[in-house]
Amino acid sequence: DTEVTQTPKHLVMGMTNKKSLKCEQHMGHRAMYWYKQKAKKPPELMFVYSYEKLSINESVPSRFSPECPNSSLLNLHLHALQPEDSALYLCASSQDRAGRAYEQYFGPGTRLTVT
Amino acid sequence: SQQGEEDPQALSIQEGENATMNCSYKTSINNLQWYRQNSGRGLVHLILIRSNEREKHSGRLRVTLDTSKKSSSLLITASRAADTASYFCATDAYTGGFKTIFGAGTRLFVKA
Repeated sequence: DTEVTQTPKHLVMGMTNKKSLKCEQHMGHRAMYWYKQKAKKPPELMFVYSYEKLSINESVPSRFSPECPNSSLLNLHLHALQPEDSALYLCASSQDRAGRAYEQYFGPGTRLTVT
Repeated sequence: SQQGEEDPQALSIQEGENATMNCSYKTSINNLQWYRQNSGRGLVHLILIRSNEREKHSGRLRVTLDTSKKSSSLLITASRAADTASYFCATDAYTGGFKTIFGAGTRLFVKA
């Protein structure tokens, strides 16, 4: 199974709502990532988890809160978002981040609209 | 800041023609990867080339890397309508931690 799944596919939320994005992989990968992608722009790294520990936070606002409950799951908790946070949120995984490069497997993304 | 810059930003060709996309980067790298993204969907890994390699092939794909010029190119031969997508280079650079940074991307349109 070389698939990364993300739920939901689409999400519309108000600025006062709390919601969560979910990501799951069963490839035994030990590194997982969240990216944000605006239209016609490249993905921008938000967070990296390595062996279930947060290893990189790209100065993301605290209204985005990542969580890695176990090696297969990655969540992104959303609270008090702004309209400019509307984007495609991509999850990815790779074998590990121990200083070596591995290809990343991406999920299909969650298209988030903040109203 | 973006590590990789790509050109052209957009490319339109006929089916059967070759497509070449270029990527330049700024800092030292361990490797460079190319990904494809179909409209509004997840990215698919195409090929990885390490900093000590100069050329790599995978099917109709050919990637070159010139570390002295900090540049890479992706050649797609005998293009097909199904190759229509955005193509991104990505570098793993160490900036206090290993981070993958994507270039701006080239939007390729292959006309049938």
